[in-house]
Amino acid sequence: QLQLQESGPGLVKPSETLSLTCNVSGGSISSNSYYWGWIRQPPGKGLEWIGSIYYSGSTYHNPSLKSRVTTSVDTSKNQFSLKLTSVTAADTAVYYCARHSNYGRPGGATPDYWGQGTLVTVSS
Amino acid sequence: DIVMTQSPDSLAVSLGERATINCKSSQSVLYNSNNKNYLAWYQQKPGQPPKLLIYWASTRESGVPDRFSGSGSGTDFTLTISSLQAEDVAVYYCQQYYSTPPITFGQGTRLEIK
Repeated sequence: QLQLQESGPGLVKPSETLSLTCNVSGGSISSNSYYWGWIRQPPGKGLEWIGSIYYSGSTYHNPSLKSRVTTSVDTSKNQFSLKLTSVTAADTAVYYCARHSNYGRPGGATPDYWGQGTLVTVSS
Repeated sequence: DIVMTQSPDSLAVSLGERATINCKSSQSVLYNSNNKNYLAWYQQKPGQPPKLLIYWASTRESGVPDRFSGSGSGTDFTLTISSLQAEDVAVYYCQQYYSTPPITFGQGTRLEIK
């Protein structure tokens, strides 16, 4: 059974960088059938897609986050990571990592396996 | 980006009754070359990540009860729960994957028991 688990600091100071890692178990991240991505959800609000990465290293990001997002993959560790720079209180959210079905869509199509999510609070 | 708009924002339905949630996209998500609608539905229960219910607008994910069904084409879609069960209380989201990146979600519809 595929499992994804987010890890990283739960508290980040304003203007600093949010860093999260998603460990994948029960399946290989080196599959051409999937993308691996990040989605966030501010408390009490809806879902926002952040970005995704292919095992080859190709990355796709939400233009709304401009150049603040970096994603990377480590196939040897079967994990992928997210960095979000210059955070503000508006970046406070539950961050989910998720496997995305491919369906020929750049960046992935449907997130079908999700981690449980990790709450990241931006506060001094 | 394609904007997804759901209606209503919240809905209360009696147990055993039908629940209907609507989703409208700002442009068509129907890909003419394969006649597929690039539209999915998710269910999110409190404290849990979203769960994929339906993709290609009407294909149920494995293990999803058949009381859940999706319909529609182009810009207008519907998620129907034919006979509401207590465990169906959740927030439901539609999502398009026609124009990516980014994938985009509707704002969510909260479903409660009347």
